[in-house]
Amino acid sequence: KQEVTQIPAALSVPEGENLVLNCSFTDSAIYNLQWFRQDPGKGLTSLLLIQSSQREQTSGRLNASLDKSSGRSTLYIAASQPGDSATYLCAVDNYGQNFVFGPGTRLSVLP
Amino acid sequence: DGGITQSPKYLFRKEGQNVTLSCEQNLNHDAMYWYRQDPGQGLRLIYYSQIVNDFQKGDIAEGYSVSREKKESFPLTVTSAQKNPTAFYLCASSLPRTRNTEAFFGQGTRLTVV
Repeated sequence: KQEVTQIPAALSVPEGENLVLNCSFTDSAIYNLQWFRQDPGKGLTSLLLIQSSQREQTSGRLNASLDKSSGRSTLYIAASQPGDSATYLCAVDNYGQNFVFGPGTRLSVLP
Repeated sequence: DGGITQSPKYLFRKEGQNVTLSCEQNLNHDAMYWYRQDPGQGLRLIYYSQIVNDFQKGDIAEGYSVSREKKESFPLTVTSAQKNPTAFYLCASSLPRTRNTEAFFGQGTRLTVV
């Protein structure tokens, strides 16, 4: 059964730092991997979708990579801002198991 | 605006009551999903539906029921059999499962037992 983990569980950084969030999954048989942002008490906002055949995707200051064979994805946030403070979740679209989510990384960017 | 609408935003349930959470989408998506989110945990799948009039149990379906009579709507009923229903409930939808399937989420319903 697919399991998804995220490291670290929480992260606090000063404004302007570049940072990396990690996502690991146990079963490489996936359609794609998606990164989401969740603000407190809100739903999930899709940030990036990486198809299984792709290595990375970029959107603005965000870059996500995927190494399917090793079961890893990273989300790189450049020049972090206080507005980036949120919980970041990764999810894999698993063959036959639908979307399986990690527990999230709670990010605080301090002014 | 295209999107997913969940209502109500907050819901309070008395012991022994059934309550229904609404989820409507105008994205013309075939697949719809219900997830439960508890503090410090990832989202857990309750039920999903790939097509109208068909749905399957997810990992934690006990104490919940759903229907899919219309493509746009996928209501979730939390029954009295669900012993610990206090949680944040999220509805999602997507196109049929292909490599490029992106999931879109509603804003959630927070259910509290009083």
